[in-house]
Amino acid sequence: GENVEQHPSTLSVQEGDSAVIKCTYSDSASNYFPWYKQELGKRPQLIIDIRSNVGEKKDQRIAVTLNKTAKHFSLHITETQPEDSAVYFCAASKTAGNKLTFGGGTRVLVKP
Amino acid sequence: EAQVTQNPRYLITVTGKKLTVTCSQNMNHEYMSWYRQDPGLGLRQIYYSMNVEVTDKGDVPEGYKVSRKEKRNFPLILESPSPNQTSLYFCASSPILGSQPQHFGDGTRLSIL
Repeated sequence: GENVEQHPSTLSVQEGDSAVIKCTYSDSASNYFPWYKQELGKRPQLIIDIRSNVGEKKDQRIAVTLNKTAKHFSLHITETQPEDSAVYFCAASKTAGNKLTFGGGTRVLVKP
Repeated sequence: EAQVTQNPRYLITVTGKKLTVTCSQNMNHEYMSWYRQDPGLGLRQIYYSMNVEVTDKGDVPEGYKVSRKEKRNFPLILESPSPNQTSLYFCASSPILGSQPQHFGDGTRLSIL
């Protein structure tokens, strides 16, 4: 089955700096890669996703890049703000069945 | 409002006492899934369902049962709970066609003593 590894497990950045989280996946058939943000005590919420026919996608301060050949994808947060502090999860799935496999999560702390 | 509703939100119970966590969605989604979240292990899938009467095991199904008699409901059943099932549980749903994001419920925190 699919295996998703996520690094780093914790990330501390100064407000205004950029944060980068990287994930690798094992199943070359995976073609959908969402990123979820989970604030303390709350449910995971989708922040951005990318499909395998696209190499990069941006949404304001958030961007995701995908390298299908190397089987890795990354989340980039620019101009970080204290409200970006949360746990971020990457995930991977194939189109059929929507079975999502999650990475282990990255706890991001943005210091003011 | 589109939502996934889980009940109860919190439950403390004892080993061996059967319990059910309900999950209901109002978005007419075909796909529904249960996850457990444990510190350092992220979200792990327990069971999922692609439509009514169609269920399948995820990565950690041992000790759990599910049913999908109606499209909107996907209850998680612990027939004989044990302390290692103490966890935070999330239900999620999504459309089945294409690659669509999953919508999560607010979570159920279970403590098995």
